[in-house]
Amino acid sequence: KAGVTQTPRYLIKTRGQQVTLSCSPISGHRSVSWYQQTPGQGLQFLFEYFSETQRNKGNFPGRFSGRQFSNSRSEMNVSTLELGDSALYLCASSSGTSGPGETQYFGPGTRLLVL
Amino acid sequence: KQEVTQIPAALSVPEGENLVLNCSFTDSAIYNLQWFRQDPGKGLTSLLLIQSSQREQTSGRLNASLDKSSGRSTLYIAASQPGDSATYLCAHLGGSEKLVFGKGTKLTVNP
Repeated sequence: KAGVTQTPRYLIKTRGQQVTLSCSPISGHRSVSWYQQTPGQGLQFLFEYFSETQRNKGNFPGRFSGRQFSNSRSEMNVSTLELGDSALYLCASSSGTSGPGETQYFGPGTRLLVL
Repeated sequence: KQEVTQIPAALSVPEGENLVLNCSFTDSAIYNLQWFRQDPGKGLTSLLLIQSSQREQTSGRLNASLDKSSGRSTLYIAASQPGDSATYLCAHLGGSEKLVFGKGTKLTVNP
């Protein structure tokens, strides 16, 4: 079974631009969660999507948004980029049907650099 | 605010040594506690997941324990090898139903 894939793997943008990141979960998984990892704050939860609906969200500004498609693929969008948005963005997938305690499988991440 | 703390932040040991990584969490509600490994510039690999009803999990040279009453978990690595060099992250899944991560312990195993 193929793992979680994320595209692109690397991205360079300038302040004020917007960016869209993509995540394809493991086949059959319906839950996709997004995380931001920075050296200062570590790994922080952004949001979770299940069956095209946002099921949970973290404490990030409205510039961070996401969506999920009917095939469970998910996209994350960051508008009006700031230097502090430079980070590794990770997505994780799970079946989403076994309760909050099930294992999540992580993708390799997209490294975003904002200049 | 839920917090997960990992001590030490960095650890350097000679090959073959047994070692313990520590993780503490403030949220008394818990679904599970997970340990992950992250290699430089890469994503996370799940190592062990301990459900709230369990006290420990083992996989090969790794053993993770969970003490809910004290809010602590430990990851024991036996007979460490240079290939174990990585950052180890623990993550707590509690009442918020969101994984809360510690900042990790960077382990270096010297040949």
